[in-house]
Amino acid sequence: SAVISQKPSRDICQRGTSLTIQCQVDSQVTMMFWYRQQPGQSLTLIATANQGSEATYESGFVIDKFPISRPNLTFSTLTVSNMSPEDSSIYLCSVAGSRNQPQHFGDGTRLSIL
Amino acid sequence: AQKITQTQPGMFVQEKEAVTLDCTYDTSDPSYGLFWYKQPSSGEMIFLIYQGSYDQQNATEGRYSLNFQKARKSANLVISASQLGDSAMYFCAMREGQGNYGQNFVFGPGTRLSVLP
Repeated sequence: SAVISQKPSRDICQRGTSLTIQCQVDSQVTMMFWYRQQPGQSLTLIATANQGSEATYESGFVIDKFPISRPNLTFSTLTVSNMSPEDSSIYLCSVAGSRNQPQHFGDGTRLSIL
Repeated sequence: AQKITQTQPGMFVQEKEAVTLDCTYDTSDPSYGLFWYKQPSSGEMIFLIYQGSYDQQNATEGRYSLNFQKARKSANLVISASQLGDSAMYFCAMREGQGNYGQNFVFGPGTRLSVLP
């Protein structure tokens, strides 16, 4: 299975600032995914990051707030922009295996906004 | 409508005992996969076990087994010989259809398991 490195592992940020989260995979993958997990909640898909095209956002998530880059087949970034306390969450990137394979996740970024 | 239901917000089990975590799902697609993940307090998502909709036998992986009852649309996770390190959140997830896309991968609300010494 793919090894996924995600950083930073945690951060404490000020209201109104932005933070970029990086996700590096040890093999080439077509699709990478970004999830948000609010405190005490399950995972919610933010967007699918496609190499060479715009990311596909889920309902309730917009590019201005969560811009995503996917410059190559092993790397992606998610930026959380103009942060507010409601953005305090764990953010996880993942990659999809073949149909019968699970998604594999990075270790997550635990973000707290003061 | 909820695609994945986990009716137990929290569960307690004595160390070395077995525990069953419930998961029911809703899909009209004949081809789907069911997954269980463990999330310790550190936050990472650890894949535990997979069951395909066409698999004839229940999946097993070490101390984890999946009680798959297709007609009831349930895929309960059984953890045998619980250990203190099993204390975590457990998520049931489903991927529908033939694709590999995240849009078709949905997670349940989770069950918090606490193993008591």
